[in-house]
Amino acid sequence: GAVVSQHPSWVICKSGTSVKIECRSLDFQATTMFWYRQFPKQSLMLMATSNEGSKATYEQGVEKDKFLINHASLTLSTLTVTSAHPEDSSFYICSARAGREGIHEQYFGPGTRLTVT
Amino acid sequence: GQNIDQPTEMTATEGAIVQINCTYQTSGFNGLFWYQQHAGEAPTFLSYNVLDGLEEKGRFSSFLSRSKGYSYLLLKELQMKDSASYLCAPMDSNYQLIWGAGTKLIIKP
Repeated sequence: GAVVSQHPSWVICKSGTSVKIECRSLDFQATTMFWYRQFPKQSLMLMATSNEGSKATYEQGVEKDKFLINHASLTLSTLTVTSAHPEDSSFYICSARAGREGIHEQYFGPGTRLTVT
Repeated sequence: GQNIDQPTEMTATEGAIVQINCTYQTSGFNGLFWYQQHAGEAPTFLSYNVLDGLEEKGRFSSFLSRSKGYSYLLLKELQMKDSASYLCAPMDSNYQLIWGAGTKLIIKP
C-alpha cells in the first residue's frame, strides 16, 4: 500500500514555457500533499503544502504565481511551473499523507526531473 | 531555530553493521522519520519513532531518545544495495518534516 505516482518522470522544456507535473496517491486518500525541490547533493526543500479543496501554503521565498499548485481531489495534486527558466531545472518530488488520525508518514512519488533549456 | 546534525558520509563493509547517528533541535516534536534515498531517486520511508526506545524492522532498527534530541538508524547484514543516503527527519509542532542533507552511506565489498 501507500503508493504515490508522479507524471512525467522527466521533462525537457524550452525557457518561457509552462510545465505541469501530476502527483497521485494510488491506494489511499491524501488530505495533504507536499511539493519538494531538490538540487544535486542538497537536501529536500519544501516548496508548498496543499490540502484538498483549499489553497496551498507556500514556503518563504517560493513564488506562488510561478509555481501553481492545485489539489483538486483527495488523490490528485498538480504543480505547474509557469514561464520556466533554466534555474528552475531541478528534481521535483511530491509526497502525500493520509488523512487518518495518528498517521503522519509521508509517502513520496518517484520524482520528476525537469530540465529547462 | 530548527537543526539536524548527521555525518555527511560513512563507509562500511558488506555484511557488517553500521549505525547512523542524528541529533536534532525542533520547535515542538511529533516523532522522527528515517528515509532512504538512492541517487537520482525519491526518498522511501524506513521508520517512524514517536516514543523513546528501539523499533526493529528486519535488518533496520531505529532508536529515539526525546530528552537527548537523538536518534540512530542501525543497519545489519549490510548489502551493496544499501548504498544510499539516509535522511533523518524530525516532525515539528506543525507536523512538518524538517530535512537535513542526510548521510551518504558507501558499502564496500
